[in-house]
Amino acid sequence: EAEVAQSPRYKITEKSQAVAFWCDPISGHATLYWYRQILGQGPELLVQFQDESVVDDSQLPKDRFSAERLKGVDSTLKIQPAELGDSAMYLCASSLGHNTGYTFGSGTRLTVV
Amino acid sequence: ILNVEQSPQSLHVQEGDSTNFTCSFPSSNFYALHWYRWETAKSPEALFVMTLNGDEKKKGRISATLNTKEGYSYLYIKGSQPEDSATYLCAPNTNAGKSTFGDGTTLTVKP
Repeated sequence: EAEVAQSPRYKITEKSQAVAFWCDPISGHATLYWYRQILGQGPELLVQFQDESVVDDSQLPKDRFSAERLKGVDSTLKIQPAELGDSAMYLCASSLGHNTGYTFGSGTRLTVV
Repeated sequence: ILNVEQSPQSLHVQEGDSTNFTCSFPSSNFYALHWYRWETAKSPEALFVMTLNGDEKKKGRISATLNTKEGYSYLYIKGSQPEDSATYLCAPNTNAGKSTFGDGTTLTVKP
């Protein structure tokens, strides 16, 4: 069964450092999402791509977060500089369209110390 | 961003008990509702996609109903098993393609 690949699985970084996460969606899925999930809360959308274009980044803290999907396939989410409050699970998901079910990756658990 | 509420926040049941959870969402501009199961250390897994008022979906011992007019969906688990322990998330979509997740219901099934 096709999977969404994410790396790393875990990341510990010091505050003010830069950190990056990578996601490779299911082949053929045009829509890619990055979500942040804080313990006890539901996933919160950070950015949505349709192919290589950003469709929604209204909840992305653009002063420190950036995301790209240059060739419309894999994607990178970057935080610079990291803050203590960024500690969370970062989930990547992909879908055939914005109203079909998502397939999620395993996530990256970020701890900022 | 939609106001999505799930209740209860957590639930502890004995093996064999049947249980249900609620997802409430704004009924305006509704397009579809997704249910996901998220087990610890795994990826969230899609359970159901529901679109029509009165829809009922079933997968083994798990079923879900949808009321789009009043803005709620119920998820039922019949005869809970320890492997059903997980967080169950609902995510309604609007017709603009916006999807918002609830905070989830965490189910613990004790053997």
